[in-house]
Amino acid sequence: GQNIDQPTEMTATEGAIVQINCTYQTSGFNGLFWYQQHAGEAPTFLSYNVLDGLEEKGRFSSFLSRSKGYSYLLLKELQMKDSASYLCAVMDSNYQLIWGAGTKLIIKP
Amino acid sequence: ETGVTQTPRHLVMGMTNKKSLKCEQHLGHNAMYWYKQSAKKPLELMFVYNFKEQTENNSVPSRFSPECPNSSHLFLHLHTLQPEDSALYLCASSQTTGASETQYFGPGTRLLVL
Repeated sequence: GQNIDQPTEMTATEGAIVQINCTYQTSGFNGLFWYQQHAGEAPTFLSYNVLDGLEEKGRFSSFLSRSKGYSYLLLKELQMKDSASYLCAVMDSNYQLIWGAGTKLIIKP
Repeated sequence: ETGVTQTPRHLVMGMTNKKSLKCEQHLGHNAMYWYKQSAKKPLELMFVYNFKEQTENNSVPSRFSPECPNSSHLFLHLHTLQPEDSALYLCASSQTTGASETQYFGPGTRLLVL
């Protein structure tokens, strides 16, 4: 079966750095997506990785290792507004997104 | 962000009611999706439409009936639902259904079935 694993909840301090991990086992691979979802709002696109390595976009970076079935989202200089759920999703061989259950990130002052 | 809109935002219905959820995208996309999001569970893909044609139906019960009259509009018709159908229903769109296509989501309809 297909499976995406990510931690249920993480806590970090304002101004710090946090890394949210995602491991996956899917039928085929056509890229990995990270989304941010604030409570009661739509998931919004953060990043897309299809090749191994690090993609940096401002305070957010995303890393992919296809051989290890592993990705992480790195958030720097944390702000209170970063408190949200972060969803990892892999596009499989049928071009469908397989989703993790999300990581709820709590930022403390 | 008003690229994908959904109405209503909240809905309470009895098990014998019939209601419809509406989704509209203003992004010029050709693919639209319905997802179900339950607390602490992964998003579940329900239906996919590409150029108005249904391409996926992921074993969804017949009490959920989708309709896609054009590439900009998507409906989900609900009838004789069960309490376990209470969830957030999200609509999304993308340019097409191919590789690397980013999906853009609406804010969802929070559904409560009594």
